[in-house]
Amino acid sequence: NAGVTQTPKFQVLKTGQSMTLQCAQDMNHEYMSWYRQDPGMGLRLIHYSVGAGITDQGEVPNGYNVSRSTTEDFPLRLLSAAPSQTSVYFCASSPRFVAGLHNEQYFGPGTRLTVT
Amino acid sequence: AQSVSQHNHHVILSEAASLELGCNYSYGGTVNLFWYVQYPGQHLQLLLKYFSGDPLVKGIKGFEAEFIKSKFSFNLRKPSVQWSDTAEYFCAVNADRDDKIIFGKGTRLHILP
Repeated sequence: NAGVTQTPKFQVLKTGQSMTLQCAQDMNHEYMSWYRQDPGMGLRLIHYSVGAGITDQGEVPNGYNVSRSTTEDFPLRLLSAAPSQTSVYFCASSPRFVAGLHNEQYFGPGTRLTVT
Repeated sequence: AQSVSQHNHHVILSEAASLELGCNYSYGGTVNLFWYVQYPGQHLQLLLKYFSGDPLVKGIKGFEAEFIKSKFSFNLRKPSVQWSDTAEYFCAVNADRDDKIIFGKGTRLHILP
């Protein structure tokens, strides 16, 4: 298994440009999520999905869109990039619930995004 | 809404010292609790998790954590740290009836050789 894969690894955007960060997992996990990591802020949840066709907002969803058309893929779209979106983005997935609560997450290697 | 607090933002220890990193969460119901570690240049990996049962859980690399429900705490411990434990440590919580998994701000641990 490749686990959770993310592309690209690095990206530089100009303010106002749009782009899609790709995330895929081959473990048939139901739950997928996107976080951004900023110094001193830890990981903040952007969007998450509990299954194909279902997405919801996390702590910091503004400026980002997601979709979940398949179990495997969970792309994150930046609609109009801003310097405040400069960050490292991590995608994660986790298997079925345990007793109604979420199981551990498996993280991808991250995408380092710079917006100038 | 659930939230997580990690009190120590930056900890510096010498090798062989004992470690305790604090984690408190704010939610009165049932929770799953996690500690993740991020080594320099790497992505996050699970250290240990608590779902139910024995409140003292053991993880990889000699780490353990104790869930104290009355204190809403899930502190991470290691009796004797090594230089290779230099990393950033994150506590995370998932509350029942909520699909969000929320992370704390992390504790950067630096071990002096």
